[in-house]
Amino acid sequence: DGGITQSPKYLFRKEGQNVTLSCEQNLNHDAMYWYRQDPGQGLRLIYYSQIVNDFQKGDIAEGYSVSREKKESFPLTVTSAQKNPTAFYLCASSIGTGLAGRRNIQYFGAGTRLSVL
Amino acid sequence: QKEVEQDPGPLSVPEGAIVSLNCTYSNSAFQYFMWYRQYSRKGPELLMYTYSSGNKEDGRFTAQVDKSSKYISLFIRDSQPSDSATYLCATNLLSGGYNKLIFGAGTRLAVHP
Repeated sequence: DGGITQSPKYLFRKEGQNVTLSCEQNLNHDAMYWYRQDPGQGLRLIYYSQIVNDFQKGDIAEGYSVSREKKESFPLTVTSAQKNPTAFYLCASSIGTGLAGRRNIQYFGAGTRLSVL
Repeated sequence: QKEVEQDPGPLSVPEGAIVSLNCTYSNSAFQYFMWYRQYSRKGPELLMYTYSSGNKEDGRFTAQVDKSSKYISLFIRDSQPSDSATYLCATNLLSGGYNKLIFGAGTRLAVHP
């Protein structure tokens, strides 16, 4: 059953703590993405990766970090520098990026809801 | 001005109604248009994907694109309570070798029996 798995579903962060959100895909997609979703706002891109061992900042990368050591995995770390981390975090993947057509369609995981204690 | 504008709703309709969801966009360079459905506390799932102006139909759903007016619509016929969700329109922009998806804020739809 192919798809994108995000874990945990709910996560709580204490002040000054770094937390890591997991994203795994078994779709054999090259590209992976992290978005943040706040109430009343569209999805905002945090980081994206077009290929293993490469990633780029999105629109709101400050206070976040990522790694892409394996094709199927793209973990996101919310660092203590992110002062307003409470949000719904979504991971997505696509066959490719920078190409025309359906190869760019992004498929999403079920999300992780992060709250601050 | 946001690149993609979408009325947040909420939109409440009776079961069986025809629903019209709309977005406007500002950049004529946008090429592809998508509608995603997002149930509460879940990730978005792709409903419709279109490229050219005109209509695309899939079951009870019809996506309409008018590039001259920079207007996209999603119509839901014979709406069901299971259609209650937030609907996100999205478009893409090729920039620096990367296809960036730009989302509207989403319209919350409630279909009541």
